[in-house]
Amino acid sequence: AQSVAQPEDQVNVAEGNPLTVKCTYSVSGNPYLFWYVQYPNRGLQFLLKYITGDNLVKGSYGFEAEFNKSQTSFHLKKPSALVSDSALYFCAVSPPERDYGGSQGNLIFGKGTKLSVKP
Amino acid sequence: GEEVAQTPKHLVRGEGQKAKLYCAPIKGHSYVFWYQQVLKNEFKFLISFQNENVFDETGMPKERFSAKCLPNSPCSLEIQATKLEDSAVYFCASSQWVEAMDTEAFFGQGTRLTVV
Repeated sequence: AQSVAQPEDQVNVAEGNPLTVKCTYSVSGNPYLFWYVQYPNRGLQFLLKYITGDNLVKGSYGFEAEFNKSQTSFHLKKPSALVSDSALYFCAVSPPERDYGGSQGNLIFGKGTKLSVKP
Repeated sequence: GEEVAQTPKHLVRGEGQKAKLYCAPIKGHSYVFWYQQVLKNEFKFLISFQNENVFDETGMPKERFSAKCLPNSPCSLEIQATKLEDSAVYFCASSQWVEAMDTEAFFGQGTRLTVV
C-alpha cells in the first residue's frame, strides 16, 4: 500500500537553529513529493515540490527539501528557524502511475508534524 | 478568483440532517479535489473532478456522500443524513492542467462541519 510517514509528531527548535522535519514514503515508481504547511484554522499552503531533476528543492519562506531515492525520504529543512515557522507541516506524495493528464492526482498525506520554534 | 473559496466556514448540523458544502476553485483550474481532515489531523482524499467530470472517487463513501462540479457554479459536497463521525474539516483544492508538468494543488480554508 502507498503511504507517507512522518515519524515525529512534534519537533521543537530554538529560534535561529536549523530545523529538520522528516518524511519517508512508500510508493511504487517515481512519485511526486510535496510539502505543505498549515497554520491554525487555515488551509494548507504549498511550500515546495519535487518532480524530477535536482534532488535539492528550494521553496517558500527559506525552506528546502532533499529527495533521497535510496532512503525513500524527502526531509524538510531550514537553516535558521523563525518563531513564525511554528505550524503543522504535512508531507504528501502523488503517485505517478496513473495518467493524470499533466496535473497531479490525489495526494496521500502524512499525519503531520507540529513544529514549535521557541524564542 | 485567485484563491479557492469555500463556504460556509462553519456548519453545525444535528445528526440525520443534510449538510452541503461549497467550493469555488481558482479560475482556470481544471481539477478540483475534496479532502476530509479529521481530529487527529489526518487528511483523507474523498473525490476529484476534472472540470465537471468525476475523475477519481475512490475515497468517497458510497452512502450518504455525493459531490458535483457543474459549469458556472461552485462545486459542492453534500452529506445526507449526517453522522457524528462526519464531524471534520472539509478542504477543497484546485490545480491547473499543465501538459508534461505536475502542478501543486491550492487549498481553500476549509469548512468545519460539526455534527451534534
